[in-house]
Amino acid sequence: GESVGLHLPTLSVQEGDNSIINCAYSNSASDYFIWYKQESGKGPQFIIDIRSNMDKRQGQRVTVLLNKTVKHLSLQIAATQPGDSAVYFCAENYGGSQGNLIFGKGTKLSVKP
Amino acid sequence: EAQVTQNPRYLITVTGKKLTVTCSQNMNHEYMSWYRQDPGLGLRQIYYSMNVEVTDKGDVPEGYKVSRKEKRNFPLILESPSPNQTSLYFCASSPAWDSEKLFFGSGTQLSVL
Repeated sequence: GESVGLHLPTLSVQEGDNSIINCAYSNSASDYFIWYKQESGKGPQFIIDIRSNMDKRQGQRVTVLLNKTVKHLSLQIAATQPGDSAVYFCAENYGGSQGNLIFGKGTKLSVKP
Repeated sequence: EAQVTQNPRYLITVTGKKLTVTCSQNMNHEYMSWYRQDPGLGLRQIYYSMNVEVTDKGDVPEGYKVSRKEKRNFPLILESPSPNQTSLYFCASSPAWDSEKLFFGSGTQLSVL
């Protein structure tokens, strides 16, 4: 979920388990959503996206689910690996241009070997 | 290799001393943008540019300037840095203004004393 204050929400999972990272978005007019992964010392990296006319989209080991009724987005990572350890951000776009891209505060995923 | 390159990676400066953080992309992208990342606040957009000679304010433009004289370069200028501009800065680009898939640089950690 989204962070409050200075500390990021943290999700700790065992290697090989599935991870679910949640995000509540703010604008009901948002029509495009993106998940980014940020490893320590690096810039955010695009993972997967979904448009508001879809409920689910699958990539390689990742699935994004969109629930527009409750303005909720989730990222599922199958068979989590140590290399998945990172901070994950959701972002919403409500205006069709990059100027309207709003980032969530992130969730830190830690994978235990 | 396709990438967004920022320099420097780390910078320590003093209040009032003008500085420039450079950003260059080799993907012929039209859209470029600057973000700052602060604990508990996530990524916030400073300025963006939809094409050469076209720039616009993001959410937190105060104290910053940008220019887009060439397609590949988008420098961030702090005319008179202050301690509240201590932050982690990211430059990003995308193929077009309506393409939400951003490519990020590796970041510039700025400390203003």
